[in-house]
Amino acid sequence: ETGVTQTPRHLVMGMTNKKSLKCEQHLGHNAMYWYKQSAKKPLELMFVYSLEERVENNSVPSRFSPECPNSSHLFLHLHTLQPEDSALYLCASSQEPGPGQTEAFFGQGTRLTVV
Amino acid sequence: AQKVTQAQTEISVVEKEDVTLDCVYETRDTTYYLFWYKQPPSGELVFLIRRNSFDEQNEISGRYSWNFQKSTSSFNFTITASQVVDSAVYFCALSEAYNNRKLIWGLGTSLAVNP
Repeated sequence: ETGVTQTPRHLVMGMTNKKSLKCEQHLGHNAMYWYKQSAKKPLELMFVYSLEERVENNSVPSRFSPECPNSSHLFLHLHTLQPEDSALYLCASSQEPGPGQTEAFFGQGTRLTVV
Repeated sequence: AQKVTQAQTEISVVEKEDVTLDCVYETRDTTYYLFWYKQPPSGELVFLIRRNSFDEQNEISGRYSWNFQKSTSSFNFTITASQVVDSAVYFCALSEAYNNRKLIWGLGTSLAVNP
């Protein structure tokens, strides 16, 4: 059983819809991440939150809007997506700061299909 | 530039065979961290190992072993006496000390262990 829970597991949305992905971690970590996993591409880091502050935004289009209301919850708000945004969206958490990269714990992902 | 190459896209073995998954990395940094993650069909990435660049000792954990060779910039992963439950996609990743929140991922190797 994972300490990082993502809902929903599957989502189909139209290009004009607005939806949100939710992530919750039960590990007491202070950093949370959103990743995008597409076929035949390396995992793409989208956003990083540390102590509830966004510390990285890797040139992600504004149609993706993250929110971190507290250290245990992370949301990804979606609006006017494109078909190429269809992918597996993974949430992760880790403990930082640390002397080096500590291991991240991942959720099972939300499989998003944009039609 | 930082890069992780997993040249083997797919590997298929029969149960009880040994299998080695290759990982070659590129970095200009002298301090860095290497990781292996497993992604079973359920979707979540499961942490397997983290190794820092100053520790070239090989590691064994049960049926898993890792061979880190700085001379060839490789961090290979061997599963001994493979089992059907080892079927998954395995990812190698690199983190540099100056930006230890960002993991640079390989494309993954899909391992199928057949009964």
